[in-house]
Amino acid sequence: GEDVEQSLFLSVREGDSSVINCTYTDSSSTYLYWYKQEPGAGLQLLTYIFSNMDMKQDQRLTVLLNKKDKHLSLRIADTQTGDSAIYFCAERGGANNLFFGTGTRLTVIP
Amino acid sequence: DAGVTQSPTHLIKTRGQHVTLRCSPISGHKSVSWYQQVLGQGPQFIFQYYEKEERGRGNFPDRFSARQFPNYSSELNVNALLLGDSALYLCASSLGGKETQYFGPGTRLLVL
Repeated sequence: GEDVEQSLFLSVREGDSSVINCTYTDSSSTYLYWYKQEPGAGLQLLTYIFSNMDMKQDQRLTVLLNKKDKHLSLRIADTQTGDSAIYFCAERGGANNLFFGTGTRLTVIP
Repeated sequence: DAGVTQSPTHLIKTRGQHVTLRCSPISGHKSVSWYQQVLGQGPQFIFQYYEKEERGRGNFPDRFSARQFPNYSSELNVNALLLGDSALYLCASSLGGKETQYFGPGTRLLVL
């Protein structure tokens, strides 16, 4: 079955870049997603990448996909205190259900 | 346009009771999915409905059921509540059965 893994914690200083990593197991996944969850809130879609792409950039966000290694990363440039949240990587399963990692808690230090 | 809405926002029940959670998708979206998020974990898929039919089911017991109405809103029902059912229940809507999913704010259920 699908398994998505992420490191649990990341701390960065305000203004630095953050890189959040994720590995997944299902090589047939067509789409991979990054969602952000702030305390007590639902999930906010940040960005997604189609499996035939290597990179996608959207303002401060850059997604890199290494399909050979089944590795996905999210880079946040010029990280701000408002970026402090839990970030979830998710892969789409065959029935359009999403398989999520455990989330990476990003803490931005002023 | 309004996003995905869910009601209630919070709910407290006791073991053995039944609960109904409601979700209204983004206007124009025809698919609704339900996820359970236990504290400290990522969301786990429960059901997907598209055009009022069940299109996917996760590894949850039969105590969990759902349905989708003609206006594409949805209900998630959980019978015989257990302490372990305490979680944030998230609803997500998508245009079709295989499109990007957008999540609502969730319903936080506490079972005592």
